[in-house]
Amino acid sequence: DAKTTQPTSMDCAEGRAANLPCNHSTISGNEYVYWYRQIHSQGPQYIIHGLKNNETNEMASLIITEDRKSSTLILPHATLRDTAVYYCIAGLGGSYIPTFGRGTSLIVHP
Amino acid sequence: SQTIHQWPATLVQPVGSPLSLECTVEGTSNPNLYWYRQAAGRGLQLLFYSVGIGQISSEVPQNLSASRPQDRQFILSSKKLLLSDSGFYLCAWSVSSEAFFGQGTRLTVV
Repeated sequence: DAKTTQPTSMDCAEGRAANLPCNHSTISGNEYVYWYRQIHSQGPQYIIHGLKNNETNEMASLIITEDRKSSTLILPHATLRDTAVYYCIAGLGGSYIPTFGRGTSLIVHP
Repeated sequence: SQTIHQWPATLVQPVGSPLSLECTVEGTSNPNLYWYRQAAGRGLQLLFYSVGIGQISSEVPQNLSASRPQDRQFILSSKKLLLSDSGFYLCAWSVSSEAFFGQGTRLTVV
């Protein structure tokens, strides 16, 4: 699986958009980009994944650059409950084994 | 709908005692199953994964073992716990792309 690089920490004001970047410059053509988050003392929660096209669901939007070397997870209206560690993972769909790096610690403040 | 059960939620065990953590999944068939550990202040470490009954792959050699006696049952065991085995243990399952995690077991070895 391709290696991903994320900033260690970020902060965001409540109600504003949180934009979390991820670099995956060695991603292969058939590897997806997955995002999970882990709220303190809980198990990770799947957020969204994509291959080439931008994706949106009820939780977030995923913007993948045309060269697929980086992506951005967007939480459009961050709330205090979005404070968590966010993990970006690159892996083959259907057969990848989720391996987590250190992720980005997002703190949403009032 | 699919659900994952992991128990107990917390556990305090003396050094040298045995360990058995159980995880069961409902509402799906032939899932991939995973055990992770998260030490205090550290990232998620993949310990074992299984693609079918009796099929276990170990990612990190240590005094832990895993078994999958039934399709939707995954057990993490140890014959003699070490202080370094303390941590947050998470079970997860996947069928296609995204993985779903249990609520975890917080193990303290004293």
